Amino acid sequence: SAVISQKPSRDICQRGTSLTIQCQVDSQVTMMFWYRQQPGQSLTLIATANQGSEATYESGFVIDKFPISRPNLTFSTLTVSNMSPEDSSIYLCSVSQGAGYEQYFGPGTRLTVT
Amino acid sequence: AQTVTQSQPEMSVQEAETVTLSCTYDTSESNYYLFWYKQPPSRQMILVIRQEAYKQQNATENRFSVNFQKAAKSFSLKISDSQLGDTAMYFCAFMKRGGGSQGNLIFGKGTKLSVKP
Repeated sequence: SAVISQKPSRDICQRGTSLTIQCQVDSQVTMMFWYRQQPGQSLTLIATANQGSEATYESGFVIDKFPISRPNLTFSTLTVSNMSPEDSSIYLCSVSQGAGYEQYFGPGTRLTVT
Repeated sequence: AQTVTQSQPEMSVQEAETVTLSCTYDTSESNYYLFWYKQPPSRQMILVIRQEAYKQQNATENRFSVNFQKAAKSFSLKISDSQLGDTAMYFCAFMKRGGGSQGNLIFGKGTKLSVKP
């Protein structure tokens, strides 16, 4: 499976600021995904990031709040904009491999907003 | 809309014993995939096992096996010969095959498994 890294691994941010999270894969992949895991909760898909097209956002998530870039087949960024304490979560990226449906996850970014 | 339910928030098992984690799901789709993921305290999500809905044979990966009951919409995970390293949060997940939802994993709330020495 692909090796996926994320930066930063954790951060503490002030409300009202923005944070950009990077996701790097060691091989080219078509589909990349961004998930949010709120404290003690399960994972929820934020958006799907395909290279060369706009990201597709799930219900409840908007581009102004979570802009995503996908400049090539090995890299993507997620920005959490105008942060509030409710944005404190783990943010994980994943990639789709293996017959096109298995997903493998990065180590996550733990974000705390104060 | 699809939902995934894990009714056991926490479970514990003695080392070397067998434990079964429950998962049920609700969908009107006929073509889909089911997964079990493991999230240890390091928070890395690790794919444990997968099942294609069109396959009747239950998937097996070493000490991990599933009991897939399509009619009952049940997808339980059995861990044999439990090891201390199996201590983790286990998530059951559903994904519709094809169409615009490709890639959207829908997760249950998880079962926290503790393996005791």
